[in-house]
Amino acid sequence: DVKVTQSSRYLVKRTGEKVFLECVQDMDHENMFWYRQDPGLGLRLIYFSYDVKMKEKGDIPEGYSVSREKKERFSLILESASTNQTSMYLCASHSGRAGHEQFFGPGTRLTVL
Amino acid sequence: GENVEQHPSTLSVQEGDSAVIKCTYSDSASNYFPWYKQELGKRPQLIIDIRSNVGEKKDQRIAVTLNKTAKHFSLHITETQPEDSAVYFCAASMRQAGTALIFGKGTTLSVSS
Repeated sequence: DVKVTQSSRYLVKRTGEKVFLECVQDMDHENMFWYRQDPGLGLRLIYFSYDVKMKEKGDIPEGYSVSREKKERFSLILESASTNQTSMYLCASHSGRAGHEQFFGPGTRLTVL
Repeated sequence: GENVEQHPSTLSVQEGDSAVIKCTYSDSASNYFPWYKQELGKRPQLIIDIRSNVGEKKDQRIAVTLNKTAKHFSLHITETQPEDSAVYFCAASMRQAGTALIFGKGTTLSVSS
């Protein structure tokens, strides 16, 4: 079974703080993704990575950056957290091979005060 | 870029009835269309998917149809049960991004017994 884990289930930060959300997968997957989920807006793609040290912008990259120094780990960084970044953040991974599914982590509920 | 519209946003049915959720996409180059189910407090999980070279796919009570000409695809659930109650998301592959997905805003399905 693929396991995608996220460093925290719940996180509370203050406006202006630098925030790190960590995601780790244990199946040697090539591709990793960060989404945010908000009621009525579905899942929106923030950034993704097809390889180590590689990143691509998704639909809503503003205010975020990412880091992928190792294949199994993909980090989402909020350089200066703002209240409009309060959301559920979901990490996902994919083998990179056609016909395989994208697996999601359990999510991190981030609240920015 | 790709845009996915999903309707309806909420759907209430009686146990045993059928449920249909419809999605349209904008990018004719998209070739992969998965459906995810998310139960309350849990991560999204793949329930069925279809590729652009197939018109219909079935898995027990669940079926997905794809009309590439019209750029729309639908999820059909027959003989609904209370445990089908969840949020359902459709998605389409991003044009140049292989396994990255663009999601619809979700449909909250409620099945009453």
